Amino acid sequence: SQTIHQWPATLVQPVGSPLSLECTVEGTSNPNLYWYRQAAGRGLQLLFYSVGIGQISSEVPQNLSASRPQDRQFILSSKKLLLSDSGFYLCAWSVGQGGDTLFFGSGTQLSVL
Amino acid sequence: KQEVTQIPAALSVPEGENLVLNCSFTDSAIYNLQWFRQDPGKGLTSLLLIQSSQREQTSGRLNASLDKSSGRSTLYIAASQPGDSATYLCAVQGAQKLVFGQGTRLTINP
Repeated sequence: SQTIHQWPATLVQPVGSPLSLECTVEGTSNPNLYWYRQAAGRGLQLLFYSVGIGQISSEVPQNLSASRPQDRQFILSSKKLLLSDSGFYLCAWSVGQGGDTLFFGSGTQLSVL
Repeated sequence: KQEVTQIPAALSVPEGENLVLNCSFTDSAIYNLQWFRQDPGKGLTSLLLIQSSQREQTSGRLNASLDKSSGRSTLYIAASQPGDSATYLCAVQGAQKLVFGQGTRLTINP
């Protein structure tokens, strides 16, 4: 069966520090991978999605970046965090685009102070 | 640009009642609509997925309907239980991405 792992579960970082959140998927090949952010009182916002190794599409211009160094690994990064980067970050995967359900990781609560 | 709206934002009902959560979307050109459940501080769990060609899907006490022409979906929960308390989100799949509503926070009172 397929599983998705996301870590860390919580993270407190000072403004201006770097960020690296990691997500891995097991039990499937060539998944579509997604990073979402859920800010307090707001809906889920798609940040990045990837249909293959090295292929990253950005939905929202910001100081975050994503990389996919391996087929089932998706990394969210920042060189310098801003206060506005605080939120709940969710990684997700799907088999294909358009008709398949999305499976989510357990999320990372990021607080930038 | 697709917009998804969920009403009400919060709902509190006594245990045992049947209830309906609403979701509306502005662009009817969709591939599917999904309902998710999110417990506090947790990720999302997929409940039901309705393809654009379907009218409804059922899973246990849950029934989701889809009316693409009017841009509406409902999630019906029968015989609600305290364990159903969570935030319920609907999401609409377009050509490239999934657009989420802001969710309905449901509380079932024992």
